[in-house]
Amino acid sequence: SYELTQPPSVSVSPGQTVSITCSGDKLGDKYAYWYQQKPGQSPVLLIYQNTKRPSGIPERFSGSTSGNTATLTISGTQPMDEADYYCQAWDSTTVVFGGGTELTVL
Amino acid sequence: EVQLLESGGGLVQPGGSLRLSCAASGFTFSNYAMSWVRQAPGKGLEWVSTFSGSGGDTYYRDSVKDRFTVSRDNSKNSLYLQMNSLRAEDTALYYCARGTNPNGMGVWGQGTTVIVSS
Repeated sequence: SYELTQPPSVSVSPGQTVSITCSGDKLGDKYAYWYQQKPGQSPVLLIYQNTKRPSGIPERFSGSTSGNTATLTISGTQPMDEADYYCQAWDSTTVVFGGGTELTVL
Repeated sequence: EVQLLESGGGLVQPGGSLRLSCAASGFTFSNYAMSWVRQAPGKGLEWVSTFSGSGGDTYYRDSVKDRFTVSRDNSKNSLYLQMNSLRAEDTALYYCARGTNPNGMGVWGQGTTVIVSS
């Protein structure tokens, strides 16, 4: 079955830039999506179609792809960005989520 | 306001059944594919099933095929998940979400909890 691999945890200092990667076989041939989930809350779509931001999502969140890796970058990270982040893709007729990355803003 | 409201969760014994519902409001329900996504306690997101917005296509993860059935009633703006032969590993918070490829799951409900235990 298809798998997406994310680092379990990442840390960043406030105001700095952090990147979270997501790798999968032939991911470059698919659309990648990114979701943010804060404790006790439902997920929120941050990035769709690799690079697009839904309305209301701050510009500091951006997405990119290179080869079989999708990357979520947060510029000028704020304490409120501390959350779990999940990548997602479609593989044929199934939806696959990455294992999630816990972002700590120190 | 665009909203999804799940209901129907609860405590059920292994081998039992439950039917989850998701009531949609604030958008043209029939225009969108709808999905169920679950999250076991302390774990990550796990896709369960998707019902396409048109054509009636349904998709399932392997572990729920032949046990779960997704359906929708566009006249009632509602999505359902019939869960049979429930197992302990089905214990999770079940979310209803709007959308899928290519625009992502842009709207999520607050979830309904399913606990499978004797």
